[in-house]
Amino acid sequence: RKEVEQDPGPFNVPEGATVAFNCTYSNSASQSFFWYRQDCRKEPKLLMSVYSSGNEDGRFTAQLNRASQYISLLIRDSKLSDSATYLCVVILHGSGNTGKLIFGQGTTLQVKP
Amino acid sequence: EAGVTQFPSHSVIEKGQTVTLRCDPISGHDNLYWYRRVMGKEIKFLLHFVKESKQDESGMPNNRFLAERTGGTYSTLKVQPAELEDSGVYFCASSPPRGTGVYEQYFGPGTRLTVT
Repeated sequence: RKEVEQDPGPFNVPEGATVAFNCTYSNSASQSFFWYRQDCRKEPKLLMSVYSSGNEDGRFTAQLNRASQYISLLIRDSKLSDSATYLCVVILHGSGNTGKLIFGQGTTLQVKP
Repeated sequence: EAGVTQFPSHSVIEKGQTVTLRCDPISGHDNLYWYRRVMGKEIKFLLHFVKESKQDESGMPNNRFLAERTGGTYSTLKVQPAELEDSGVYFCASSPPRGTGVYEQYFGPGTRLTVT
């Protein structure tokens, strides 16, 4: 079983739509959570961290459910420029864990006019 | 401020040859990570340096891969001899020293390696 699982998509949505991505992680030692964005043939870039209380950044809302080991990302009012692959990422903490990122396979979003 | 840079951007080599990838982290970032994405798979961790010391090399596939970070500045990743399954995109990332509370890793543009 993969440590971080995502639905690869693709998600094809019209401009203005609301879209949600989900991610599950298997290791309960996972302590830090992030969504990264990766454009085609580019490097991953941090989109937002995910906190237990949930957090919002403009049109983007991230939620974490530790009991279910589940992370979500909601994008409201989709823009053409939101088209990208969204990577769910966790970091394990504790002895022996040095901050390496553990990636999901990514969910591809295509926003159409 | 300059970001993480990697060289070369692309490399095409034949099976059995040697390739050396280079990463220059953001100045002042003690932590340097190497990751790899092979076709159709997720990005996977290879190893982690803190300054010049290897902290974690649990992701290195085998002894054909050798990473160095002499002087704690730039890092190199050598693949010798290269095999077909080594093809993929190799990313380098750096992050500030521990204790700053900053976990964000800044990625370089990657080196696309093709082994034929």
